[in-house]
Amino acid sequence: LAKTTQPISMDSYEGQEVNITCSHNNIATNDYITWYQQFPSQGPRFIIQGYKTKVKNEVASLFIPADRKSSTLSLPRVSLSDTAVYYCLVGDDGGFKTIFGAGTRLFVKA
Amino acid sequence: AAGVIQSPRHLIKEKRETATLKCYPIPRHDTVYWYQQGPGQDPQFLISFYEKMQSDKGSIPDRFSAQQFSDYHSELNMSSLELGDSALYFCASSSHSGKGNTIYFGEGSWLTVV
Repeated sequence: LAKTTQPISMDSYEGQEVNITCSHNNIATNDYITWYQQFPSQGPRFIIQGYKTKVKNEVASLFIPADRKSSTLSLPRVSLSDTAVYYCLVGDDGGFKTIFGAGTRLFVKA
Repeated sequence: AAGVIQSPRHLIKEKRETATLKCYPIPRHDTVYWYQQGPGQDPQFLISFYEKMQSDKGSIPDRFSAQQFSDYHSELNMSSLELGDSALYFCASSSHSGKGNTIYFGEGSWLTVV
């Protein structure tokens, strides 16, 4: 399973764009990249998933370079309610063992 | 949309007692996962089931066991509870389609061992 590395924490201000980069140097051909958001005492919530290039939905964008050894979650115009832990997961679409690494604690300030 | 349902949401047990957590996956999901998250820690994978068979195993103590039933719900049984078992236990489910297996989590069951 690909190991992921993310910054431990990040600070931002309301209205700014936040980019969180995850390194996954040994990603396998079949692996997808998925990002989750977790608030204290709540279950992780799916944000976005991608395989290559760029994916966008109503809450975030995911940028994946051609070598797929990293990915960047982009949150446009963050608000105080985006303060949470963000996890990057890399998994085999045929596997049953999705492992959480150390997430990024994002703190959004007014 | 229906989500993953976990029960009970909170549970207090004494040391050496037994606890059972239940998980009801999203309808038509065939895979269930269990995670343990201690205070200030990241979720740790315990075990998973696909089509009622154990599919993978993580750092699950021997004192714990789990199974998935014919209706796809799952139960995590924890015996000889220790203080260190106090944690938030998440169940998650997915439809193992083989393409970007997105996992959806329940809100968790808080276990406190005193």
